[in-house]
Amino acid sequence: GENVEQHPSTLSVQEGDSAVIKCTYSDSASNYFPWYKQELGKRPQLIIDIRSNVGEKKDQRIAVTLNKTAKHFSLHITETQPEDSAVYFCAASIPGANSKLTFGKGITLSVRP
Amino acid sequence: NAGVTQTPKFQVLKTGQSMTLQCAQDMNHEYMSWYRQDPGMGLRLIHYSVGAGITDQGEVPNGYNVSRSTTEDFPLRLLSAAPSQTSVYFCASSYAMSSGANVLTFGAGSRLTVL
Repeated sequence: GENVEQHPSTLSVQEGDSAVIKCTYSDSASNYFPWYKQELGKRPQLIIDIRSNVGEKKDQRIAVTLNKTAKHFSLHITETQPEDSAVYFCAASIPGANSKLTFGKGITLSVRP
Repeated sequence: NAGVTQTPKFQVLKTGQSMTLQCAQDMNHEYMSWYRQDPGMGLRLIHYSVGAGITDQGEVPNGYNVSRSTTEDFPLRLLSAAPSQTSVYFCASSYAMSSGANVLTFGAGSRLTVL
């Protein structure tokens, strides 16, 4: 099955700086890569996703890039703000009727004011 | 719309007790799933369903049972609770997408402690 890894487990940045969170996946058949944000005590929520036929996608201050050859994808957050502090999960899924999402272990991003 | 509703929000059990975590969605989603979240372990899939009457195992199914008699409901049963099942449980649903774009809507979570 698919295996998704995130490193490091924590990341601390100064407010206003950029943050980059990277994930790797194992199955080259995976074609959908979402990112979920989970604030403390809250439920995970989708913030951005990308399909394998696209190399980059942007939504205001966040962007996701995909490198299919290297089997990794990254979340980029520019002009970080304290409200960006959260746990970020990447995930991957293989096409098919079940489309199960396999999540990484999550990265805790702390934005220092 | 309420989205995905989970009950209870908190529960304390003794080892060996059984209980059911309830999950209901009002979005007519075909796909429903249960995840558990443990520190440092991320979100791990327990069981999932692609439609009424169809269920399948995920990554960590042992000790859990599910059924899907209606599109709206997907209860998770703990048959004989163990301390290792202490966790936060999330139910999630989505439109089943054969293309693989499984956009999950999560419930608020249920925190379970097994003593």
